[in-house]
Amino acid sequence: DIQMTQSPSSLSASVGDRVTISCRASQTIPNYLNWYQQKPGKAPKLLIYTASSLQGGVPSRFSGSGSGTDFTLTISSLQPEDFATYYCQQSYSDSRTFGQGTKVEIK
Amino acid sequence: QVQLQESGPGLVKASQTLSLTCTVSGASIRSAGYYWSWVRQPAGKGLEWIGRFYTGGITNYNPSLKSRVTTSVDTSKNQFSLRLTSVTAADTAVYYCATEEKFRGSIDYWGQGTLVTVSS
Repeated sequence: DIQMTQSPSSLSASVGDRVTISCRASQTIPNYLNWYQQKPGKAPKLLIYTASSLQGGVPSRFSGSGSGTDFTLTISSLQPEDFATYYCQQSYSDSRTFGQGTKVEIK
Repeated sequence: QVQLQESGPGLVKASQTLSLTCTVSGASIRSAGYYWSWVRQPAGKGLEWIGRFYTGGITNYNPSLKSRVTTSVDTSKNQFSLRLTSVTAADTAVYYCATEEKFRGSIDYWGQGTLVTVSS
């Protein structure tokens, strides 16, 4: 199995802050990396696919970068509705795996 | 717009079989463009991928669950199903059905999720 490790596990930030979340794969996964946002009691929502492509309808303040084993999700200016948990997921291996999640909380 | 809805018992006894069904609308389960997937999430924990299948015959499962998981499809009802045998308390979770876009590998659509509790 490909292990996905996110850092940090949680962070506190203020509205307007720039936020960066990292995701590292245990082996190279070229650009087969997706990012999801999940709010309490809700299903996850796709934000970014293939490392850097923005899903339709997702605000442009979200962006993704990286390739190989190291990837980043950036929120350029944190908005109140962005407080949530974020997950990365690899789609390189036929056995998909998620990172453990990063909870973004209000400072 | 694809919509998915999970259904099935919310309570299962330990050692028995968990069975869930996902009803799909807005897309045909015969579609060549999607994998049909299951993901679960224990309370307060992260997402765990269970498995996926493609109506062209491909099936992939999480190695840690592979010995206990099967998936099936009913094309006449546009539904797919999950069976998980020999359940324990560790299988208590919200179970989501979802669609994975075949070429991007991203999970684009999710059901609302259904809580399954394993009781002793």
